[in-house]
Amino acid sequence: GAGVSQSPSNKVTEKGKDVELRCDPISGHTALYWYRQSLGQGLEFLIYFQGNSAPDKSGLPSDRFSAERTGGSVSTLTIQRTQQEDSAVYLCASSSVVSGNNEQFFGPGTRLTVL
Amino acid sequence: GQSLEQPSEVTAVEGAIVQINCTYQTSGFYGLSWYQQHDGGAPTFLSYNGLDGLEETGRFSSFLSRSDSYGYLLLQELQMKDSASYFCAVRLPTGANNLFFGTGTRLTVIP
Repeated sequence: GAGVSQSPSNKVTEKGKDVELRCDPISGHTALYWYRQSLGQGLEFLIYFQGNSAPDKSGLPSDRFSAERTGGSVSTLTIQRTQQEDSAVYLCASSSVVSGNNEQFFGPGTRLTVL
Repeated sequence: GQSLEQPSEVTAVEGAIVQINCTYQTSGFYGLSWYQQHDGGAPTFLSYNGLDGLEETGRFSSFLSRSDSYGYLLLQELQMKDSASYFCAVRLPTGANNLFFGTGTRLTVIP
């Protein structure tokens, strides 16, 4: 596709359930990022992929959060045993590493609501 | 640790000029980026300053002074569609290329 896509666009789940969020980056972009944005707040970095490896997982808030990327393309962010404080918009971005300005292209996000 | 400070809200009149400031404290620094985000939308890239000075892109300009740990985004000839949140972000020298974002400035353009 022409841009970064994410699915689902909205997800409502019950506390304690697991959720999977998907990101399809721009074709050819080797770098992929996950961010979290709470209402009215800035973006909080979660994890970065270069190809299929994740050299920086420093932003993952707890061991309930994990992510993987396969084939250097699609990435999945998994949240286990969701808590109400996990409610936020989860944004995925991709970039071409050769871009000197590090421009990141964001998807529309997945709005997660944990009841 | 890192911190980025921006005004939380700014209001300006259509056709006017507005400056959104960003001051930062980081343990390292590659450059300063600016992103625009409309309500319910995805952040979109506006500009990047890797070096000190002014970068101009149409109605938008961005400035960086490393010695002052300060930057700003300048929007000229404001239009109603410029009403959005604007985030400065620091590219950290961790080898990861990830961005550390400020909490954003909500710009409201009024007629």
